[in-house]
Amino acid sequence: AQTVTQSQPEMSVQEAETVTLSCTYDTSENNYYLFWYKQPPSRQMILVIRQEAYKQQNATENRFSVNFQKAAKSFSLKISDSQLGDTAMYFCAFMETSGSRLTFGEGTQLTVNP
Amino acid sequence: DSGVTQTPKHLITATGQRVTLRCSPRSGDLSVYWYQQSLDQGLQFLIQYYNGEERAKGNILERFSAQQFPDLHSELNLSSLELGDSALYFCASSVEPYNSPLHFGNGTRLTVT
Repeated sequence: AQTVTQSQPEMSVQEAETVTLSCTYDTSENNYYLFWYKQPPSRQMILVIRQEAYKQQNATENRFSVNFQKAAKSFSLKISDSQLGDTAMYFCAFMETSGSRLTFGEGTQLTVNP
Repeated sequence: DSGVTQTPKHLITATGQRVTLRCSPRSGDLSVYWYQQSLDQGLQFLIQYYNGEERAKGNILERFSAQQFPDLHSELNLSSLELGDSALYFCASSVEPYNSPLHFGNGTRLTVT
């Protein structure tokens, strides 16, 4: 079974600075998908970014980018120019290509300070 | 707005009771998923439906059941409720039953007293 681990329960960053959230996973699959979801205080789950394992290029969405290291089974999220609205719980998630079931990590609570 | 609609937003009930949570997927999405998020925890997969058929089952208790109707909306039924069933229940939908990003509703917060 796949597992996803987020080793940082909480992190904080100053507004306008850059922060990196860590995620590691364990799988025997060669092809899969990785996601970062954001859960603000409203509790809504918002898709931030998606990475396909067979693509070597790291995904980027505006201020959000990932560092995908397939051999190391690492998938970190970098947030540049942090904004107060980035304050949220961030979940890393894994999806195997044979299905759409998402396996989530425990989450990292990010606080952006003014 | 993800386009996934969940009702009700909040539900308070007593132990031993039965409740039904409802989910309408995004227009065009055929697959529906249910997840449970207990306090300060990650999301646990419960069950997936695709075009009316059960496709995958996760850690869903026998006291819980779900179905997807011909109009593609889904209902999650929780019975013989226990205090530990208090949680945020999310519905998500996707176009395909695999390889598709999930779009989540705003969740139903269930409180069992």
